[in-house]
Amino acid sequence: GQNIDQPTEMTATEGAIVQINCTYQTSGFNGLFWYQQHAGEAPTFLSYNVLDGLEEKGRFSSFLSRSKGYSYLLLKELQMKDSASYLCAVRSHNYGQNFVFGPGTRLSVLP
Amino acid sequence: DAGVTQSPTHLIKTRGQHVTLRCSPISGHKSVSWYQQVLGQGPQFIFQYYEKEERGRGNFPDRFSARQFPNYSSELNVNALLLGDSALYLCASSLRGNQETQYFGPGTRLLVL
Repeated sequence: GQNIDQPTEMTATEGAIVQINCTYQTSGFNGLFWYQQHAGEAPTFLSYNVLDGLEEKGRFSSFLSRSKGYSYLLLKELQMKDSASYLCAVRSHNYGQNFVFGPGTRLSVLP
Repeated sequence: DAGVTQSPTHLIKTRGQHVTLRCSPISGHKSVSWYQQVLGQGPQFIFQYYEKEERGRGNFPDRFSARQFPNYSSELNVNALLLGDSALYLCASSLRGNQETQYFGPGTRLLVL
């Protein structure tokens, strides 16, 4: 089966750094994605890892360890607009290359 | 360039009715996937279509069906609606549905009373 875990909620302060963890158990692994979703809106693509290591993209970085079934999303220099849900998604051969999503982590950025 | 578009944006139905949701992919994208997102949860995969053929199916009952048209737009149909079908229905498009990123539309929010 497929199982993805993320913390339900996190709180951080504007200007700080926050790390959102994701652990997964899946067969047919073919990449891990992070999406941002503001309330009532569609998910928007943030980052993608298929090989182990760190991918950096401006204020956002994502890390993957396939042997540990573990990823994290790192957000630097937090801004109020970063308050949103962050979805970890694993792409699987078993779903025709579609995504299995985690429950999402609701991040609140406080002034 | 226009992104993924979906219609309608909101819909209210009663139990037992039927609903059709529509999606137009990004220009040049040939693959469309449908997801259901219940409030407070991550999206769940329903269907994927590529070149008008079903490529993948999630764990949803036969009341859910879909199709893709020659212009790559897609419809999701749900029959005999249940209260539990109330959710945000997301459409995502990608070039070929293999190794590429999926881009999501704004969704259709369905409420079943």
